[in-house]
Amino acid sequence: SQKIEQNSEALNIQEGKTATLTCNYTNYSPAYLQWYRQDPGRGPVFLLLIRENEKEKRKERLKVTFDTTLKQSLFHITASQPADSATYLCALDRGSYIPTFGRGTSLIVHP
Amino acid sequence: ETGVTQSPTHLIKTRGQQVTLRCSSQSGHNTVSWYQQALGQGPQFIFQYYREEENGRGNFPPRFSGLQFPNYSSELNVNALELDDSALYLCASSLQAGEESEQFFGPGTRLTVL
Repeated sequence: SQKIEQNSEALNIQEGKTATLTCNYTNYSPAYLQWYRQDPGRGPVFLLLIRENEKEKRKERLKVTFDTTLKQSLFHITASQPADSATYLCALDRGSYIPTFGRGTSLIVHP
Repeated sequence: ETGVTQSPTHLIKTRGQQVTLRCSSQSGHNTVSWYQQALGQGPQFIFQYYREEENGRGNFPPRFSGLQFPNYSSELNVNALELDDSALYLCASSLQAGEESEQFFGPGTRLTVL
């Protein structure tokens, strides 16, 4: 069955460092992949979308890579700040425009 | 804030009861999707409505039903509530179904079934 895996353990990093979050998937052929941020008690907020034929996408301090051979996406936040602390969700879509979400990884940036 | 609102914020029901959750889409959006998010999990797709018609459905039983109104606001109805229905229910609106359009999520309704 199709599976989307995000590290269930929280990622703790120091302010100013680069945070790297991983999204792996199996038995899935996504047309595109999205990353969302979710704060406690709030709905997810869309951050970035990357298509299957794109290797990398950037937006300000955010960078996403997408390797369809490895079936993996990496999400990077450079120069991280305590305000970046949140849960980050990846979501895959095979072209139905209805994304399937991973469980998310919690990021904690320490001052 | 996304402009998507949901009501109520919190709700407590008992097993077997019925519940209606409401969502007001962002202005100009004609598509709404509903998701269930259990604690520690990602959102799970329930169904999507586009211009008042159901446009896709996830793996949820028929006791989960929905409605979209001419003003594109939406309702999620759940009958015969079960304990496992306790979750955060999210609605998300987007500009157009069938495209890579960004979804804007509301803050959610926290449903507790006792």
